[in-house]
This record gives sequence, C-alpha cells and structure tokens, in this order.
Amino acid sequence: KNEVEQSPQNLTAQEGEFITINCSYSVGISALHWLQQHPGGGIVSLFMLSSGKKKHGRLIATINIQEKHSSLHITASHPRDSAVYICAVRFGNQFYFGTGTSLTVIP
Amino acid sequence: KAGVTQTPRYLIKTRGQQVTLSCSPISGHRSVSWYQQTPGQGLQFLFEYFSETQRNKGNFPGRFSGRQFSNSRSEMNVSTLELGDSALYLCASSPRTSGVSDTGELFFGEGSRLTVL
Repeated sequence: KNEVEQSPQNLTAQEGEFITINCSYSVGISALHWLQQHPGGGIVSLFMLSSGKKKHGRLIATINIQEKHSSLHITASHPRDSAVYICAVRFGNQFYFGTGTSLTVIP
Repeated sequence: KAGVTQTPRYLIKTRGQQVTLSCSPISGHRSVSWYQQTPGQGLQFLFEYFSETQRNKGNFPGRFSGRQFSNSRSEMNVSTLELGDSALYLCASSPRTSGVSDTGELFFGEGSRLTVL
C-alpha cells in the first residue's frame, strides 16, 4: 500500500510547455513537500505546504487538504527543469515519499 | 551560510562490516533527519533527531542507528552490512523548532553513496 501516489511517472515536454505533476496521499498530513532531484543525487526542497498555494518563480504548488491532493505546476518549462520531482508527506512521526516523476524538457 | 555537509561522499565496504556516516547541518538548525534512497525502494525515512533526541524512526532494522551531538551534528551507523544496504544516504536539516506537529523546510546534503560488496 502506497501512502503517496504520483503521476505521471515519466513526462517529456517541449521547452515552453506548461507542466503539471500530481500527488495524492491517503493519510492526514501535517505538511507536504515537493522536492527536486537532478542526476547525481542532490535534492532541493522546492515547496513545503500545509494549505493553499505557493509560487516561486515559474513554479507553483497547490494543495487541497480535503481531497488529499497536491499539484506542482511549471510554467514556461526549460531544459534546466529536467529532473525527478518527488512528493513527500509528513504524517505524525513518519515521512512518506512518492516514487517520483522524471521530467525531460526538450529544447 | 554553509549548506548541509555529509561525509564521506563515497565509500565501499564489504558484507559484515559496519559504517558510520556524518552530517553537519546548517548553522542554527536543530533538526536532522536521515533517508535511504535505492533504485528499487526510492526514498525511505530512517530517523529524525531534534536537540540530541531521536524523535521519529522509520521502518528499518536495529542495525541502523544514529545519534545527534550537542552541536547538532549527526551520525548514522549501519552494522553488519548487507548487500541490500547499498544506497545513497541523505541527510537533511530543518529549522523546525519543536513538537511533533511542527515542521519545517528540509535542506538536503549531497548524500553519502555506500556500496556494499
């Protein structure tokens, strides 16, 4: 049983396209994190959400607590956005991770 | 401000040996958490420390242990290494202040890549 489900698993987009990655979770959470991992391993935290919507540059993250669903949007995608995007939720004393969405943006 | 520093970055061990990994958090961060990442299982939560106390623990056997020092630096130890312990071990620090429900943004180190032969 996966507490966190992400979709799609793989995504290829043309530069400039609008991208959406979805995350659904099955537990009540205290926070949801969107993480970015480039080849080589390093992970960067993009957003931490407990409600509503956050925006940082071309990235937007939303969360609907009632529906247990979050989305990460990338506007005007760029090849440097190519990475794996991982959704993570904190439930009580545990962290649960999605399997990640591998994004490739083609010039 | 210096980021999260993990050492060593790469190491190779043989089955049955033990390993100790180190993590220095961002200055002022008192919360340190550890994660294992493998191609098969993805990212999994190991444990979390706050002010030298283990607050939370993931579903890993007792061979995996950790500690946090008074300067917030943390170490994790894996004893009696198995082939399946080969993984990228990531540490993250957080500015969270206290409590189970309180949470904070995670700042990750580059990881320690362990290969068990």
